[in-house]
Order: sequence, then structure tokens, then C-alpha cells
Amino acid sequence: DVKVTQSSRYLVKRTGEKVFLECVQDMDHENMFWYRQDPGLGLRLIYFSYDVKMKEKGDIPEGYSVSREKKERFSLILESASTNQTSMYLCASSLSTGLGSIQETQYFGPGTRLLVL
Amino acid sequence: KNEVEQSPQNLTAQEGEFITINCSYSVGISALHWLQQHPGGGIVSLFMLSSGKKKHGRLIATINIQEKHSSLHITASHPRDSAVYICAALSGAGSYQLTFGKGTKLSVIP
Repeated sequence: DVKVTQSSRYLVKRTGEKVFLECVQDMDHENMFWYRQDPGLGLRLIYFSYDVKMKEKGDIPEGYSVSREKKERFSLILESASTNQTSMYLCASSLSTGLGSIQETQYFGPGTRLLVL
Repeated sequence: KNEVEQSPQNLTAQEGEFITINCSYSVGISALHWLQQHPGGGIVSLFMLSSGKKKHGRLIATINIQEKHSSLHITASHPRDSAVYICAALSGAGSYQLTFGKGTKLSVIP
């Protein structure tokens, strides 16, 4: 079974703090993703990575950065947390076949609920 | 950019009812993904399909590529089916990105 784990289920931080969210997958997947989920807005892509040290901006990258030094680990960094970054953060991974086909099912982690005070 | 619309937004059903959730998208896709999210947050993949129909237990997913429309059906619904159901479109060959609908919150009452 694919397993995607996230470092924390719940996190409370202060405005201005630097926040690290870690995601680890154990299936040797090339692709990894960070999403945030907010009521009424659904899931929105922050960043994704298709290989080690490679990253691409998603729909809402402002205020975030990412790091992928190892294939299995993808970190999301909030350089200076703000209250509007209070959200549920979800990590996902998928195999890359280069075909955009049925094999690219994304597997999700359990999510991290971040509260910024 | 693909636009993915789901309906209804909220759905309440009696146990045993047949349920349909609809998903439409604006741009041609290579595959469509149905996801289930239970209270607490975890998301599970139910189906990924690029044509026709798939069935898993009481769940059936269909897609009509020409009409840019997919449906998720639940037969003999049960309270444990209560969850948010999300459709997501994978656009184009070689694409890594999913475009998500806003979700349908289903409550099944005993």
C-alpha cells in the first residue's frame, strides 16, 4: 500500500513564525504536491515537484516555498506565517508515466490543520 | 484553465436511497478522478477513469467524454457513506496537475 505521511496533524503557530510542513512517501513516486483546502474553495495547488530539486508553482504559491532534496520528502515552508494561511494542508504523491494517463492516481496524506494566531 | 463544477453542493439522503453526484468540466481531459473525504480530513481515491464506467462495490462512476460530464452513483446508501465527494480532472497527456471541483457534502440519515 502507498503511504503518504505528514509530520503533524495539528499545528498552532504565531504570526511571523517560520513554519515547516513535512511530507514523506514510501512508494518511490516522482511527483509530489502540496495543496491547501478551505471551506467553499476546495483544494488548491500551492506547489508541485516532478523530480528531486525540481519545483513548479501551482495556483496559489504566494507566501510559500518548497524544498525537495530527496525523492521521498517534500517540504512546504511558510517563510512568515500570516493568519490568512490558517488552513488544512494536504500533501499527495503520484507515479509519473509521462502519459498523463490512468496510472497517475494521486495518493493523499492525512492532512495538517494549521492555525496561525 | 479547466473549470470543474460539481452538483449538488450538499445532499441529504435516507439510508437505502440511490444517490447521484454530478461533475462537469470545461476543457477536454485525459482522466477524471473521484475522491472521498471523511470528517477528519483524509482523502481516499475511489476511481480514476478515462472512458465508460467503473464499479466498486456499491459505487459506480461513469464518464461521457463528448459531453464533458461524469457521475458518481451510490446504490443502497448507508450512513457510513456520509462524506465529501470530490471530482478532479487530469488535463492532457503528460500533465501532472489535477483541477478540483469544490466537493459535494453527502449526509445519509439512518
